[in-house]
Amino acid sequence: GQQLNQSPQSMFIQEGEDVSMNCTSSSIFNTWLWYKQEPGEGPVLLIALYKAGELTSNGRLTAQFGITRKDSFLNISASIPSDVGIYFCAGQLTDSNYQLIWGAGTKLIIKP
Amino acid sequence: DGGITQSPKYLFRKEGQNVTLSCEQNLNHDAMYWYRQDPGQGLRLIYYSQIVNDFQKGDIAEGYSVSREKKESFPLTVTSAQKNPTAFYLCASSIDLWEKQYNEQFFGPGTRLTVL
Repeated sequence: GQQLNQSPQSMFIQEGEDVSMNCTSSSIFNTWLWYKQEPGEGPVLLIALYKAGELTSNGRLTAQFGITRKDSFLNISASIPSDVGIYFCAGQLTDSNYQLIWGAGTKLIIKP
Repeated sequence: DGGITQSPKYLFRKEGQNVTLSCEQNLNHDAMYWYRQDPGQGLRLIYYSQIVNDFQKGDIAEGYSVSREKKESFPLTVTSAQKNPTAFYLCASSIDLWEKQYNEQFFGPGTRLTVL
């Protein structure tokens, strides 16, 4: 099936650093969603993007819908310990009314 | 408060037994989904349902079955035909897919199934 390439797979950072991760695909999407999952819990929606070029913020999180509609990135500024978790991107294809295509996740680890 | 509940949180079963995972939502969402998550991988769609008494197979439906007798409930049965059932199972819901262009899905807390 369709796939999203999410990178990096994992990140080891110091508290206070900025974080950047992205998702790319060969397909065109009409929606990009970014989720965070903590251990043993379900994913929680962080940011939803609906238009090419759209830049949306949620506190220290900023995400953008790529102009080509084939990619998206998520930035986290000034990371704190509670940012630890796995971040997933998900895209909705333009020719689909139900299915989300998921990235494999970026695991964020903050060094003590 | 509105939300999605899944029970139980942890489930252990012997190989060859069928097991049913519960998913209930009080968000008044029409669409519901079941995903499977394995370590280091993204979510894979098992089944989804857009309306009561109707459901469709996702990418990995083999060995699973569902029912949608009520809008609020979408139970998943993991049958003995599923070759590798040990995984983390996530249920999600979203507003009516026919009326809303964008499919924002909201998740329950998950059920971790271990087959011994």
